[in-house]
Amino acid sequence: NAGVTQTPKFRVLKTGQSMTLLCAQDMNHEYMYWYRQDPGMGLRLIHYSVGEGTTAKGEVPDGYNVSRLKKQNFLLGLESAAPSQTSVYFCASSYPDRDFNTEAFFGQGTRLTVV
Amino acid sequence: QKEVEQDPGPLSVPEGAIVSLNCTYSNSAFQYFMWYRQYSRKGPELLMYTYSSGNKEDGRFTAQVDKSSKYISLFIRDSQPSDSATYLCAIYTGGFKTIFGAGTRLFVKA
Repeated sequence: NAGVTQTPKFRVLKTGQSMTLLCAQDMNHEYMYWYRQDPGMGLRLIHYSVGEGTTAKGEVPDGYNVSRLKKQNFLLGLESAAPSQTSVYFCASSYPDRDFNTEAFFGQGTRLTVV
Repeated sequence: QKEVEQDPGPLSVPEGAIVSLNCTYSNSAFQYFMWYRQYSRKGPELLMYTYSSGNKEDGRFTAQVDKSSKYISLFIRDSQPSDSATYLCAIYTGGFKTIFGAGTRLFVKA
């Protein structure tokens, strides 16, 4: 049982390059999320999805795009990387809870450096 | 003012100590409070969550919410070196939005 798997784990990009981060979950969760984590700041939501074929903007969506073509996968794209996008990116997934739907299972993160 | 404030630490304690980790928040309407643990170079994992005020206990961990003071706490009894990690408080505000604190780094020395 792998849980939430992120690919790649590390990446260095040059300014202006593009890349795609892949997230895969095997728990049949409906909801998936992309966060970024920066020193001194809490996790910030970039985009999220409440089901296959749906996506929505989070708190810091600019410069990123996402797609959820299959229920188990959630892709995060950087269109034209900037140094400000240097961060650790976490994917998470969750299932609706009868009280609230935020118990999230996180992947191990992708450390991205943009030079 | 940030919606959730958390002292980044680091907090260093000897093995066996009682640890108190805290967050303050700004909106008295918040109801759902969580604590995540994050080991170095790993993703966060949910430790506990509580609804509204009161205490919740799970083994050596106790989560406490004081809504009158807008203060949430996580207590760790008989702390172990394996508890060394960053602890994130989080508040679910509705509409798929969770606000995370910046995290407190905890070191438990053997």
